[in-house]
Amino acid sequence: GDSVTQMEGPVTLSEEAFLTINCTYTATGYPSLFWYVQYPGEGLQLLLKATKADDKGSNKGFEATYRKETTSFHLEKGSVQVSDSAVYFCALTTTGANSKLTFGKGITLSVRP
Amino acid sequence: SAVISQKPSRDICQRGTSLTIQCQVDSQVTMMFWYRQQPGQSLTLIATANQGSEATYESGFVIDKFPISRPNLTFSTLTVSNMSPEDSSIYLCSVVGPGLDSNQPQHFGDGTRLSIL
Repeated sequence: GDSVTQMEGPVTLSEEAFLTINCTYTATGYPSLFWYVQYPGEGLQLLLKATKADDKGSNKGFEATYRKETTSFHLEKGSVQVSDSAVYFCALTTTGANSKLTFGKGITLSVRP
Repeated sequence: SAVISQKPSRDICQRGTSLTIQCQVDSQVTMMFWYRQQPGQSLTLIATANQGSEATYESGFVIDKFPISRPNLTFSTLTVSNMSPEDSSIYLCSVVGPGLDSNQPQHFGDGTRLSIL
């Protein structure tokens, strides 16, 4: 079945540090890939997405590139802010999955001033 | 973007009791889902709520424990029955439908934070 693996957390960084959160996947067919963010006390929000190989999703300074050859979709940001402190989930859905999403375990990011 | 309201936003319950969580959307949607997010864990799909018929449950989840209703295209409820401390989780509703942002596979509510004593 489909699965998403995220690096273990939590991650604590200083403001303006570089961020990388690793995500790899296994899927049948050709998945679409997503990063969701969950701020404290809130639901999930879509951060960015990529629907085919070599696509780069970007939003709010975050980027992730769909790498089919390494089955990866790592999230990066060049300079994190305190307001980026949240839980980040990598997820996928496949054609014919009836919109069902498969999520990774999530990773908590804390950014200190 | 759709407004998805979940009630209650949080609750603390006694073991052995049941709680019904409501999910209300401000527009008609084609699909509604219920997820569980246990502490420190990922989201796990409980079931797909089907309008006018029985929900479709994922492996490991059963109707007796998590009865679901969906009487129309904008509303669904999830009941957590005979609760135990292991049911302490965040329960999230999500939706898919026309008129929503097609760039998003699903739109999520803010969740219900449930603690069982």
